[in-house]
Parts: sequence; structure tokens; C-alpha cells
Amino acid sequence: KQEVTQIPAALSVPEGENLVLNCSFTDSAIYNLQWFRQDPGKGLTSLLLIQSSQREQTSGRLNASLDKSSGRSTLYIAASQPGDSATYLCAVLVNAGNMLTFGGGTRLMVKP
Amino acid sequence: NAGVTQTPKFRILKIGQSMTLQCTQDMNHNYMYWYRQDPGMGLKLIYYSVGAGITDKGEVPNGYNVSRSTTEDFPLRLELAAPSQTSVYFCASSFYPGADTQYFGPGTRLTVL
Repeated sequence: KQEVTQIPAALSVPEGENLVLNCSFTDSAIYNLQWFRQDPGKGLTSLLLIQSSQREQTSGRLNASLDKSSGRSTLYIAASQPGDSATYLCAVLVNAGNMLTFGGGTRLMVKP
Repeated sequence: NAGVTQTPKFRILKIGQSMTLQCTQDMNHNYMYWYRQDPGMGLKLIYYSVGAGITDKGEVPNGYNVSRSTTEDFPLRLELAAPSQTSVYFCASSFYPGADTQYFGPGTRLTVL
């Protein structure tokens, strides 16, 4: 059974810092990996999707990498801002059809 | 284009009551999903559908039922509500999950007392 773990569970950094969020998964037979952002009381917003054949994806100040063989992904946030404060969730798609398996999330606070 | 909409936003149920959580998407997606999120946890899949008339169980289906009579709608039915069903419920949809992300609704916060 696929399990996804995110470390740390919570992170507090001063504004302007570069930071890395970690995601690990137990079964490397994934179809893709996705990073989502969740604001308090809101739904999830997709940030980046990495197909299993890709190594990384970039969007603005965000860069996500994928190392399937080691079962790891990282989300790099450059020059963090208070508006980046949210919970970040990673999820893996085990097969093309259906089930996303989510990690527990990292709650990020960026202090002004 | 409203995306994925869910009603109600909040609901309090008594033990043993039933209710239906509504979900509608206007993106013509074939795939639709119901997840639950417990405090401090990730999301777990309850049921999903790959098209009208086709549904299947996810990781935590017990105590729930679904139907999919149209492409747009995917209601989730709770029968005989229990305190263990206190959670936030999210509906999502996607065109083709292998290539596309899932689009989430704002969630329904359910409390069973």
C-alpha cells in the first residue's frame, strides 16, 4: 500500500528565505506526483504536477523535483513571502485512473 | 465557469440522521471524486466515478454511497451518520488524471453529534 509522508509537519520562516518542503513515498511505481496548496477553510489548489518520466517542474518561484527511485520529491520556494503561508500537500497518483494518495501536509508560516 | 461547487458549506447532524452532500462541476470532466480530510491529516478517497453511471470505492467507503446520473453531478450520501464521519468533505474532478490535475471544490464541513 502506498504511503506518503511529509516532513516537517510545520515550518515557520522569516520573509525572504528560500525553503524546501519534503515528500517521500513508499512505492516508486507512481504515475505522477502533484503538489497542492490549501488555505485555511478552503479547497486545494494545484501548484505543480510532475509526470513519472520528468525530473522537475517550475512555476514562478516554485520548483518541484522528483526522484522516483528514491521515493522523494521536494518543493523549493524561493524568496518566501507572507502570502505563501498555507498548508502544502503532496500526492501521488498510483495509476492513470484513479486514486491520489496524499501526505499529511506541511503547514508553512512566513513571518513579515 | 464556476469550476467545482459544493453544498452545503457547513452542516451539523445528529447521530443516525442521513444527508446528501451535493457536488457539481461545469468543466465537462469525466472523472469525479469524493475525499474526506480529518484534522491535521491528508485527504482520503471515499468514492470516485469515471463517467456517468460508473462509480467505484476508494480507500474509506464504509458508511457512504454515491451515484452519478449525469456528467455534472456526483452526490455523496451519508446514511446513519456517526461521530466518526465528522470531517471536511471535498469533491474534485479531472479530465484525465494521468495528464491533468484534479480540481477541488471548497469543501463541506460536517459535524456529527
